[in-house]
Amino acid sequence: AQKITQTQPGMFVQEKEAVTLDCTYDTSDPSYGLFWYKQPSSGEMIFLIYQGSYDQQNATEGRYSLNFQKARKSANLVISASQLGDSAMYCCAMREGKAGGTSYGKLTFGQGTILTVHP
Amino acid sequence: GAVVSQHPSWVICKSGTSVKIECRSLDFQATTMFWYRQFPKQSLMLMATSNEGSKATYEQGVEKDKFLINHASLTLSTLTVTSAHPEDSSFYICSASRQREASNQPQHFGDGTRLSIL
Repeated sequence: AQKITQTQPGMFVQEKEAVTLDCTYDTSDPSYGLFWYKQPSSGEMIFLIYQGSYDQQNATEGRYSLNFQKARKSANLVISASQLGDSAMYCCAMREGKAGGTSYGKLTFGQGTILTVHP
Repeated sequence: GAVVSQHPSWVICKSGTSVKIECRSLDFQATTMFWYRQFPKQSLMLMATSNEGSKATYEQGVEKDKFLINHASLTLSTLTVTSAHPEDSSFYICSASRQREASNQPQHFGDGTRLSIL
């Protein structure tokens, strides 16, 4: 079963508009972390934002915010005031378990969403 | 901040060649390193987890004899694609994690290696 699901293979947004990228997850572990990465065409993984399963508030980092709905197991990324440089693949990932385990840092990625920002 | 260096960035070689990719943590000790593979327009797929000094743990469907992983030191892990064929052409990327890393710390990724087998 897919643990992380991104249902939007591609999204288009007008420059300066806001866009929401969907991510749902499935886990029975009470302790987990959710990450969003941006991957431009050059390939590097750029960390954007993190939400912990015990965090009471939605995470925000500049123009990025995370709409975390724990009961629905969703962690959608909201990008406000889109810029042309935001065009990239966006990857949602989940890390399960507590720190200290031998595979603690292991990330499970969703399918990714390719965002295109139009001028 | 934590830096992970991956080398080489690009490899083009003939079918049947073995290719070694290095992943180095430059300013921290990486107790665990992860190797991912990515096909065009798809997201990252975990291939294996390597812990320093022990055998790598491979994900289901990944051939351990095809993709040899060595994590001999706390700063270096290598992935060797043995007898590479065109279907092994892909983007390979590593990430590193240090011991007792805070839960909100992101993975430290290398910049990836584009492998093309002719």
